[in-house]
Amino acid sequence: AQSVTQPDIHITVSEGASLELRCNYSYGATPYLFWYVQSPGQGLQLLLKYFSGDTLVQGIKGFEAEFKRSQSSFNLRKPSVHWSDAAEYFCAVAPHGGSQGNLIFGKGTKLSVKP
Amino acid sequence: DVKVTQSSRYLVKRTGEKVFLECVQDMDHENMFWYRQDPGLGLRLIYFSYDVKMKEKGDIPEGYSVSREKKERFSLILESASTNQTSMYLCASIPGGGSYEQYFGPGTRLTVT
Repeated sequence: AQSVTQPDIHITVSEGASLELRCNYSYGATPYLFWYVQSPGQGLQLLLKYFSGDTLVQGIKGFEAEFKRSQSSFNLRKPSVHWSDAAEYFCAVAPHGGSQGNLIFGKGTKLSVKP
Repeated sequence: DVKVTQSSRYLVKRTGEKVFLECVQDMDHENMFWYRQDPGLGLRLIYFSYDVKMKEKGDIPEGYSVSREKKERFSLILESASTNQTSMYLCASIPGGGSYEQYFGPGTRLTVT
């Protein structure tokens, strides 16, 4: 069965430091890949997505993610974290041909930002 | 902009009550979803609907039902609320036709006492 793993439950970084959030998926072919962010008490907002083509994708709020087929990974990065980036981040996959647009979500990584 | 709204941000109900959670989207989206979110468990799919009056079970449908009488509205029903249904409930929608980008509502935090 398809699955998504976010190995880090909670990460703390200092403001201005770089950030990398890890995501690994288990699937036979290349799925569609997504990163969502959830600010406290809010719904989820799409940060970026990968369907095909260039393996480095740019998203909103200065985030980017790199798809690595050999590692089945889609890690999220940001060169300089801002205090407002404190939130929970979810990686998700949609198998090609999956029914009705369903997504499989990871369990999330909570990001805290130190001043 | 796509807008997905949920009827309540916070809800407190008693055990055994029948609970309705409403979700409305304003972009004529085909597919709609209900998730529950619990700490450490991420988002788990309860039900989804790909057309009016159509529904499919997700991963955790037990204790829940849904209704989609109009395209823009998708309701989640807890027939007899229990304390283990205390959770954050999130609604989402997508245009359909091969789109996978889900648009989420703000969530309803339900507490069952």
